[in-house]
Amino acid sequence: GQNIDQPTEMTATEGAIVQINCTYQTSGFNGLFWYQQHAGEAPTFLSYNVLDGLEEKGRFSSFLSRSKGYSYLLLKELQMKDSASYLCAVRPNTGGFKTIFGAGTRLFVKA
Amino acid sequence: ETGVTQTPRHLVMGMTNKKSLKCEQHLGHNAMYWYKQSAKKPLELMFVYNFKEQTENNSVPSRFSPECPNSSHLFLHLHTLQPEDSALYLCASSQSSSGSYNEQFFGPGTRLTVL
Repeated sequence: GQNIDQPTEMTATEGAIVQINCTYQTSGFNGLFWYQQHAGEAPTFLSYNVLDGLEEKGRFSSFLSRSKGYSYLLLKELQMKDSASYLCAVRPNTGGFKTIFGAGTRLFVKA
Repeated sequence: ETGVTQTPRHLVMGMTNKKSLKCEQHLGHNAMYWYKQSAKKPLELMFVYNFKEQTENNSVPSRFSPECPNSSHLFLHLHTLQPEDSALYLCASSQSSSGSYNEQFFGPGTRLTVL
């Protein structure tokens, strides 16, 4: 079957660094996405990884290890507005547009 | 504002009603998606259309009927729903598909309650 696991909730302090992990088991692999979703709003795209390694984009970085079926999203210099759900999603190698989402990690940033 | 709009934003319906959800994208994309998001569950892909042709139907019950008249508009027709169908229904669009990198742009969703 296809499965994506990520922690349900995390709490971190403003100004700190937090790492949100994601592990996946899918029918092949054709890319991994991270999305941010604030409560009551639409998910918005954060990052994409298809090759092993780290992709950095301002305060956010995403890492991928295909051999381990593992990714993480790293958020630096946390701000209160970073309180949101972070969704890990994988495109399996089944062709077409199918994307499998994890249940999301709810991040609470406290002062 | 992501360039994807959905109406209505909230819908309450009885089990015998027929209603439709509408999605419109202003991004020039050719692929459109319907997802269901229930509390504490992953986003579930329901349908995908590429250039108006359905390419994915993720074993969705027939009481949900999609329609894609053109690449900018997507509808979800609802008929004889069950209370467990209550959820947030999200529409998304992306560039066409053959490449693996296709970030999706989501609409704000329709919060559906079935009584």
